[in-house]
Amino acid sequence: DAGVTQSPTHLIKTRGQQVTLRCSPKSGHDTVSWYQQALGQGPQFIFQYYEEEERQRGNFPDRFSGHQFPNYSSELNVNALLLGDSALYLCASSLGGEETQYFGPGTRLLVL
Amino acid sequence: AQSVTQLDSQVPVFEEAPVELRCNYSSSVSVYLFWYVQYPNQGLQLLLKYLSGSTLVESINGFEAEFNKSQTSFHLRKPSVHISDTAEYFCAVSDPWETSGSRLTFGEGTQLTVNP
Repeated sequence: DAGVTQSPTHLIKTRGQQVTLRCSPKSGHDTVSWYQQALGQGPQFIFQYYEEEERQRGNFPDRFSGHQFPNYSSELNVNALLLGDSALYLCASSLGGEETQYFGPGTRLLVL
Repeated sequence: AQSVTQLDSQVPVFEEAPVELRCNYSSSVSVYLFWYVQYPNQGLQLLLKYLSGSTLVESINGFEAEFNKSQTSFHLRKPSVHISDTAEYFCAVSDPWETSGSRLTFGEGTQLTVNP
């Protein structure tokens, strides 16, 4: 049973660039959530996708956008990167309205 | 908005000693509660969860947590820790009444370091 996978594992960008991170949910899951974890902090909720639509959004600017595909995989896009966007980006999947989320290994983004 | 407070940022203990990692949450209504563990350079792994029913929940590797509604706490305990338990532990809460999907609100984490 494949768990949540994310790509790439590491990424280095410069300020002002754009980045796309990818996530494949756990087999059978249809809901994907994205979290940002800055160094030394707990994860912060960015948004959640279900049935290819953004269902909930946390307190993040519009530079953060996402997409969910018909196969339930998801992308997180960040435009106009800032130094403060450097973090571990975690994807979590769940099934419909179920409460338990399962996390992938994350993508570590460094913005120089 | 919900919030989670993990009262200790670092907890050093010796191997085979008992440990308690403390977690308090802000909501006075129904909540779902979770503990996740994060090993260095890895994602989060679900350790245990409270959804309803028995207030004492257990994990397969010897951890347990007790939901205390009156004190709005969900402390994590283990009677005897191993070196391999060294990791960052996160307490999280979600709202069971949220109709448009559930988001997790995390605490700042507790670094558990088990020394020989």
